[in-house]
Amino acid sequence: AQSVTQLGSHVSVSEGALVLLRCNYSSSVPPYLFWYVQYPNQGLQLLLKYTSAATLVKGINGFEAEFKKSETSFHLTKPSAHMSDAAEYFCAVYGANSKLTFGKGITLSVRP
Amino acid sequence: DGGITQSPKYLFRKEGQNVTLSCEQNLNHDAMYWYRQDPGQGLRLIYYSQIVNDFQKGDIAEGYSVSREKKESFPLTVTSAQKNPTAFYLCASSIGERETQYFGPGTRLLVL
Repeated sequence: AQSVTQLGSHVSVSEGALVLLRCNYSSSVPPYLFWYVQYPNQGLQLLLKYTSAATLVKGINGFEAEFKKSETSFHLTKPSAHMSDAAEYFCAVYGANSKLTFGKGITLSVRP
Repeated sequence: DGGITQSPKYLFRKEGQNVTLSCEQNLNHDAMYWYRQDPGQGLRLIYYSQIVNDFQKGDIAEGYSVSREKKESFPLTVTSAQKNPTAFYLCASSIGERETQYFGPGTRLLVL
């Protein structure tokens, strides 16, 4: 079965600093990978997705992620953090059983 | 506007009571899903349905039941057999299998 690992539960950055949220996956078939964002007491919003086209994927709000098969990674980055980026971020993968498996999520805090 | 609606936003359950959470979508999606979210545990799949009048158990189906009589509706019943129902419940839909899932705003279930 597929799995997703998001190391750590909390990341804190200063406003204007680089955001890097890590995601590693395992899958026995070529994966489809997703990043979602969740604001408090709301549903999940799609940030970006990888479905075997370009390995560098651009999403909404200035976020992007790079698929690296050799490292089984799909890390999320943003060059300059904004206060409005404070939220919880989830990485997810479709693997062989066609169920979407989520990581445990990472809470991003942005310091003024 | 197309989207997914969930109601109510907050729901209170008494001991031994069954409660039903509503999920409606007007996206014309074939597939619908129910997830449970607990702090620090990511999202776990309860039930999913790929087509009307058919549904499958997810990873944590015990104590829950669903129906899919209409394409646009996928209600979830939390039965008295679910001993720890306090959680945030999220409904999602997708065009089909292994497609992007879009989420509703969620229902928070609390036990009195």
